[in-house]
Amino acid sequence: EPEVTQTPSHQVTQMGQEVILRCVPISNHLYFYWYRQILGQKVEFLVSFYNNEISEKSEIFDDQFSVERPDGSNFTLKIRSTKLEDSAMYFCASSPQGYYGELFFGEGSRLTVL
Amino acid sequence: LAKTTQPISMDSYEGQEVNITCSHNNIATNDYITWYQQFPSQGPRFIIQGYKTKVTNEVASLFIPADRKSSTLSLPRVSLSDTAVYYCLVGDSMNSGYSTLTFGKGTMLLVSP
Repeated sequence: EPEVTQTPSHQVTQMGQEVILRCVPISNHLYFYWYRQILGQKVEFLVSFYNNEISEKSEIFDDQFSVERPDGSNFTLKIRSTKLEDSAMYFCASSPQGYYGELFFGEGSRLTVL
Repeated sequence: LAKTTQPISMDSYEGQEVNITCSHNNIATNDYITWYQQFPSQGPRFIIQGYKTKVTNEVASLFIPADRKSSTLSLPRVSLSDTAVYYCLVGDSMNSGYSTLTFGKGTMLLVSP
């Protein structure tokens, strides 16, 4: 069964450092998403991406965040200068349709900012 | 945004049917109802989606009354591996976007032997 894969599974970084989280969406999917979940809290929408551009973003997705699809398979989330409050599990998701239907989530990347 | 209300937790035993109800009193005409399951330290997993009446797939059924102000996820014959958090999402991602599909706190289902 095809799946969304994410790397790294866990990253520890110092405050102020740049972090790149990588995702390989399911190959025939066209819509891509990042969500995050702070420990013990809700899953929060960050951004959606279609046709090589951001289609939606939440208030959380400020100038410190960026997304990119550098090639035909990877979808990355960059945090330019990490803060302590960026510590969370970051989930990548993809979908074939972009509306209704099912979002396919990856296993997540745990980011710990010290 | 349609706000959802679910029980914080539910307990069940293996082999029982579990029904989790979600209230969404201000659901809009174009909103769909979607349920996800999440295990600890894993991404949410889609269970089922519906608009009205009843939807059934290989893992669950979704019952939606005519007024659509609530919905019930039914899990037949649960097993220990169904212990997870279950989220009810209500929104219109097509017209209002995915930012409107918010995960609430969900219902923690604990299945015991």
